[in-house]
Amino acid sequence: AQSVTQLDSQVPVFEEAPVELRCNYSSSVSVYLFWYVQYPNQGLQLLLKYLSGSTLVKGINGFEAEFNKSQTSFHLRKPSVHISDTAEYFCAVSGRYMNTGFQKLVFGTGTRLLVSP
Amino acid sequence: NAGVTQTPKFRILKIGQSMTLQCTQDMNHNYMYWYRQDPGMGLKLIYYSVGAGITDKGEVPNGYNVSRSTTEDFPLRLELAAPSQTSVYFCASSYGELFFGEGSRLTVL
Repeated sequence: AQSVTQLDSQVPVFEEAPVELRCNYSSSVSVYLFWYVQYPNQGLQLLLKYLSGSTLVKGINGFEAEFNKSQTSFHLRKPSVHISDTAEYFCAVSGRYMNTGFQKLVFGTGTRLLVSP
Repeated sequence: NAGVTQTPKFRILKIGQSMTLQCTQDMNHNYMYWYRQDPGMGLKLIYYSVGAGITDKGEVPNGYNVSRSTTEDFPLRLELAAPSQTSVYFCASSYGELFFGEGSRLTVL
């Protein structure tokens, strides 16, 4: 079974500052990792995913994440945030990933990013 | 592109009432899912389907039922609504990534 821990429920940051949202996972098998973003009153949207290969993954809107197997982490980073990045961010893990498109994800509890001027 | 469409967006139910949350997708995805989202709890999988006629339980299936008669539609039924089912419900479909609907906010009083 897999589990995900997002250590911060809320992260306040000023516009144009860098940000890191932390995610740690637990799994007894190889994992596939994802970050989703949820803007107010909307569904979730995929930011980026790690399936294999390079441990540094780049996503949409200038976000990137690094897979660290020894520390079982998949932290999300952005070098300079905008007001429009204010949203809730969810880390998720899957114990398998099929090219047919099936995913059975376990989500973290979310981190609310609050960007102020 | 409509993507994943959920109805209704908002609903208030009395304890013991029944209702169906509708979900339809126009991307021809085989895989569909129902999640519930509660504050500070993230998303929990209720049910999922790997194709028409095939469904299976997720983490929190109690109090819910689903059916999948077509590829496009995956309705979620609440038979006897309880206050614990007050939540935001998300339907999703997948092919390489999950595509989510905009959610249905349900309140049970």
